[in-house]
Amino acid sequence: NAGVMQNPRHLVRRRGQEARLRCSPMKGHSHVYWYRQLPEEGLKFMVYLQKENIIDESGMPKERFSAEFPKEGPSILRIQQVVRGDSAAYFCASSPPGVMNTEAFFGQGTRLTVV
Amino acid sequence: AQSVTQLDSQVPVFEEAPVELRCNYSSSVSVYLFWYVQYPNQGLQLLLKYLSGSTLVKGINGFEAEFNKSQTSFHLRKPSVHISDTAEYFCAVSEPGGGADGLTFGKGTHLIIQP
Repeated sequence: NAGVMQNPRHLVRRRGQEARLRCSPMKGHSHVYWYRQLPEEGLKFMVYLQKENIIDESGMPKERFSAEFPKEGPSILRIQQVVRGDSAAYFCASSPPGVMNTEAFFGQGTRLTVV
Repeated sequence: AQSVTQLDSQVPVFEEAPVELRCNYSSSVSVYLFWYVQYPNQGLQLLLKYLSGSTLVKGINGFEAEFNKSQTSFHLRKPSVHISDTAEYFCAVSEPGGGADGLTFGKGTHLIIQP
């Protein structure tokens, strides 16, 4: 049973480009969370999704950021028109149905660098 | 709303010495508590968690933590550290019953093991 898979591990984008970050949850997991980690900071919640539904996006910036978790395929975090301040590590976590908030399994993260 | 405070940003310790990493939380409701470890350029790995029951929780790699409700603390301890324990440690809290915003993390404590 593979763990949470995130790709790419490292992503470099120029200012104004789009960044797409992918997360495949563990097999059988239907809850996906995205977190952002800025340098010297802890992880900040961005968005919580279940299949085809955004449950809570209260931590996501209102502009340029979007997330989806389609019926088939990985969850995608999309950042349009990236700026230098978007440089961070983005982590995805997944948990099984019925056990919300009792354990989350994390991927290795995508480190986004905006140049 | 929940918050987590990790009082020490860095803790230097000599190899084979004991260590305690401090974590305090605030919440208006009962909570679940977690400690995660992050090795350089890696994702987060769960060390241990408190959901209910015994307030002393044992985790992987010889770590343990004690939930103290009156002091709203969940300090992490290890009786004898090894050089391989050098990492960033994050305390986190979540809300039973399915608060949708996932885990709330502290800013992390960098454990530095000195030979």
